[in-house]
Amino acid sequence: SAVISQKPSRDICQRGTSLTIQCQVDSQVTMMFWYRQQPGQSLTLIATANQGSEATYESGFVIDKFPISRPNLTFSTLTVSNMSPEDSSIYLCSAGLRREGPLSYNEQFFGPGTRLTVL
Amino acid sequence: DAKTTQPPSMDCAEGRAANLPCNHSTISGNEYVYWYRQIHSQGPQYIIHGLKNNETNEMASLIITEDRKSSTLILPHATLRDTAVYYCIVRVGGPSGTGKLIFGQGTTLQVKP
Repeated sequence: SAVISQKPSRDICQRGTSLTIQCQVDSQVTMMFWYRQQPGQSLTLIATANQGSEATYESGFVIDKFPISRPNLTFSTLTVSNMSPEDSSIYLCSAGLRREGPLSYNEQFFGPGTRLTVL
Repeated sequence: DAKTTQPPSMDCAEGRAANLPCNHSTISGNEYVYWYRQIHSQGPQYIIHGLKNNETNEMASLIITEDRKSSTLILPHATLRDTAVYYCIVRVGGPSGTGKLIFGQGTTLQVKP
């Protein structure tokens, strides 16, 4: 399995500022992802963090608002830029590990999340 | 990735089997069925996945219909710790899969004493 840690675990920020969330995996992984979970809602995929190239963003999410870095196979950051109260959410990092076998698949492990409140 | 439909909520008595249904009528031949769950205030956790055969592991069993248009996750002896939101996800697996998961609204399972 993969153990994922995130920093900070929670933060309260002022409107207009930016926050960078760090995600550390205890082993090298090929895929890393960032999700957002708004209060009472399901998870929404923001982007796939690609090592050595730009992140791949899902519809509705743009690099200017959510810049992502992936400098190596164990680490990624997500920045929430120019924040507004609508950005108040839990932000989760996940990593995919390849599992070989009769049904090869990519198992995803999730971090504990970063709870962000924007005032 | 194919869309899935799940009931929004279910109850189950502790010690009984919990059967969680999922419809995925538009599933294509190279798409797998995955189940994850999210216990309150935690990140989602992988449970099980399958392609067309029934699968069982230490956590649960997955029953996929012959036409693959629906599936059922079975928790054989539900405990209070199984109270969570359960997500059924269909996506391309294998080497050609992107690896990303698209979550629907899931089923909130409440296990009651």
